[in-house]
Amino acid sequence: DVKVTQSSRYLVKRTGEKVFLECVQDMDHENMFWYRQDPGLGLRLIYFSYDVKMKEKGDIPEGYSVSREKKERFSLILESASTNQTSMYLCASSLEDEAFFGQGTRLTVV
Amino acid sequence: RKEVEQDPGPFNVPEGATVAFNCTYSNSASQSFFWYRQDCRKEPKLLMSVYSSGNEDGRFTAQLNRASQYISLLIRDSKLSDSATYLCVVNKHYGGSQGNLIFGKGTKLSVKP
Repeated sequence: DVKVTQSSRYLVKRTGEKVFLECVQDMDHENMFWYRQDPGLGLRLIYFSYDVKMKEKGDIPEGYSVSREKKERFSLILESASTNQTSMYLCASSLEDEAFFGQGTRLTVV
Repeated sequence: RKEVEQDPGPFNVPEGATVAFNCTYSNSASQSFFWYRQDCRKEPKLLMSVYSSGNEDGRFTAQLNRASQYISLLIRDSKLSDSATYLCVVNKHYGGSQGNLIFGKGTKLSVKP
């Protein structure tokens, strides 16, 4: 079974903090993604990566950056957390078209 | 026009009912189409891919109409366990990358006893 693991299920951070969300997949997938999911807005793509050290902006990259130093790991960084970044963050990896998701990280910024 | 549009519902149906969801997409160059299922407080999981010829998996039937740019999902003989949010997903290509999945906002289904 494909496994995508996110480092935390729940996280509470203060405004202005630098926040790291980690995601690891164990199936040697090329593509990895970060989404956020908000009520009424659905899943929105933040960043994705189709190879080590490669990254592409998604639809809402502002306020975020990513890092992919190893194939299995894709990190999302909130440079200076703000309250409007309170959300559910979902990491995914894909083989061809099917995406496999991690369990999600519910981030609250206070 | 939004890239992927779905009726958010909720669809409230009795057990045993047949229910259909539609989804429209804006990018005529999209090549791959899917339905994902997301249970409450869980991550999305692939339900089925959608092919031009239509495909069936047990009680679930998915169809694609490229000319009208819409995708449908039909669920027959609804079960309580079918209650979930159903996400329409379209592959969109960014530049030279393999492509990326664009999710609709989802249609919520609630099956009642």
